[in-house]
Amino acid sequence: DADVTQTPRNRITKTGKRIMLECSQTKGHDRMYWYRQDPGLGLRLIYYSFDVKDINKGEISDGYSVSRQAQAKFSLSLESAIPNQTALYFCATGSGDTGNQPQHFGDGTRLSIL
Amino acid sequence: GEDVEQSLFLSVREGDSSVINCTYTDSSSTYLYWYKQEPGAGLQLLTYIFSNMDMKQDQRLTVLLNKKDKHLSLRIADTQTGDSAIYFCALLRGSTLGRLYFGRGTQLTVWP
Repeated sequence: DADVTQTPRNRITKTGKRIMLECSQTKGHDRMYWYRQDPGLGLRLIYYSFDVKDINKGEISDGYSVSRQAQAKFSLSLESAIPNQTALYFCATGSGDTGNQPQHFGDGTRLSIL
Repeated sequence: GEDVEQSLFLSVREGDSSVINCTYTDSSSTYLYWYKQEPGAGLQLLTYIFSNMDMKQDQRLTVLLNKKDKHLSLRIADTQTGDSAIYFCALLRGSTLGRLYFGRGTQLTVWP
């Protein structure tokens, strides 16, 4: 079983719809992240959370919101989707307990907004 | 982002060595990472190096760090077609612990 699970894996929807992407992890990590990947632009951080009561904006938070429902769950919402939010979205987890602090990624959600 | 720079493409022949380069601007970077992304998959951590090291070797992978020039490289020896992927350089800044800053990724294509 995957340690970091994202659902759905693919989603096609229309402009103006509300969408939620979900992420759950079994790694026991305290930190969770949402990134967006666009071709040639690398990964850009949307939101991150260091524990259940902690939510922080990343580089590109406009148009997105998040909820950290439990240590193992972190969801990303697009309240009113627009076509330029079409991208590949990744959830990642990390631990503050290790000095090297690598992040571990899910397999991504490919989102297309028409 | 623009603080971490990588060239976008690299092509090599199978069996040759590949060298993927990364430059960065923040001298407070503590850990530097290399991730691999295969088609349709997430990012997989390949290796990392702490800023007080200048080299780390792990089987076919060699990471070199030149702190003075803020230059990081990943050398893959005996490159195989299965090494074809996008490789991301990322760094952990001392000033913003818990956040990684990624380069744009280098698409490595290995020709048989």
